[in-house]
Amino acid sequence: DAGVTQSPTHLIKTRGQQVTLRCSPISGHKSVSWYQQVLGQGPQFIFQYYEKEERGRGNFPDRFSARQFPNYSSELNVNALLLGDSALYLCASGTGGNEKLFFGSGTQLSVL
Amino acid sequence: EDQVTQSPEALRLQEGESSSLNCSYTVSGLRGLFWYRQDPGKGPEFLFTLYSAGEEKEKERLKATLTKKESFLHITAPKPEDSATYLCAVQAWGSGGGADGLTFGKGTHLIIQP
Repeated sequence: DAGVTQSPTHLIKTRGQQVTLRCSPISGHKSVSWYQQVLGQGPQFIFQYYEKEERGRGNFPDRFSARQFPNYSSELNVNALLLGDSALYLCASGTGGNEKLFFGSGTQLSVL
Repeated sequence: EDQVTQSPEALRLQEGESSSLNCSYTVSGLRGLFWYRQDPGKGPEFLFTLYSAGEEKEKERLKATLTKKESFLHITAPKPEDSATYLCAVQAWGSGGGADGLTFGKGTHLIIQP
């Protein structure tokens, strides 16, 4: 069975640019969450979507946005990139209760 | 604000040398405490969920326990393949009764030497 897939795996952007990261959950999972992991830190919660609706939002600026599509895949958008946005962005899928999350391998974003 | 503190930050053990990792937490209302394992270049891999004080769960050489203030991950007779970063996370009940995202600690980087 396919796990959580994320694309692209690596991305290099310049300050001020915009980026879109993509995630496909495990088949049958209706919940997708996004986390940001800076080197040496634990993942930090950005968003959770369930059945195409935002269910939770972490302490991130409005430059961060996301959406979930009818097939339960999801996109994370970040506008006006800052150097501090450089991180590993992780997508996780689950059945909806957050009780057991399955993480993808992430997208490594570098902002120069 | 929910907080998770893990100790030690790094731990180096000999193969077969048992030890414990600590996770101290403060949360408004605990829905669950989670342990994940993360290998370099990969996303976290789920290990355990604990819900109430006194609960214990085991998987191979790992055993997780929970009190009202902390959780321990006990590693018995570890092998080199147990080398990884171990992450602890808590989930609190949201203000509307719904689930919020996980709050992670910084992790413990465990190295098992042959």
